[in-house]
Amino acid sequence: ETGVTQTPRHLVMGMTNKKSLKCEQHLGHNAMYWYKQSAKKPLELMFVYNFKEQTENNSVPSRFSPECPNSSHLFLHLHTLQPEDSALYLCASSPIMTGLTTEAFFGQGTRLTVV
Amino acid sequence: QKEVEQDPGPLSVPEGAIVSLNCTYSNSAFQYFMWYRQYSRKGPELLMYTYSSGNKEDGRFTAQVDKSSKYISLFIRDSQPSDSATYLCAMNRDDKIIFGKGTRLHILP
Repeated sequence: ETGVTQTPRHLVMGMTNKKSLKCEQHLGHNAMYWYKQSAKKPLELMFVYNFKEQTENNSVPSRFSPECPNSSHLFLHLHTLQPEDSALYLCASSPIMTGLTTEAFFGQGTRLTVV
Repeated sequence: QKEVEQDPGPLSVPEGAIVSLNCTYSNSAFQYFMWYRQYSRKGPELLMYTYSSGNKEDGRFTAQVDKSSKYISLFIRDSQPSDSATYLCAMNRDDKIIFGKGTRLHILP
């Protein structure tokens, strides 16, 4: 285990549903991330939080809404998703040293299917 | 031009062979260079990282960085079926880590 825990592991939701993905890390890291991994595409960075402040929103549609209440927890709220949003959603955390992000530690991911 | 380019494969090699995985990049500001391994249905896990040109060895794995050519490699010696996975190169810039597409590797018994 990497120390980053994601729940749920699998989620099936309808296009009109509202659901949330949860990520938790107890590694003492300052930065947390949401990534999307679709088949045959590179990992796509969605959001970055440094010290609980959002520093990156990589042109993500508003139907994805992140929340970072503290440096150990990160949520991704989902609302009126589309079938093309089906993917593996990965949370990661990393320490920040002198303004640079070093290696990221990933959770197991949530496999999301939108029907 | 994409910041990080990696051939997605798949790459199939016989057990015991030496595997060479590669990435190229375009941004000379990258400072840390990493290799992640991702097994099916799991998140990526950090395999190795380095921040300077040259080679870094860890058991059967060697990471190589050539900053002048903007080229990084991962070599796996004496490959095993358990090495079958997707290997992603990654490099950092400011507060982001940029990943390659990942190369799917199959080691044939």
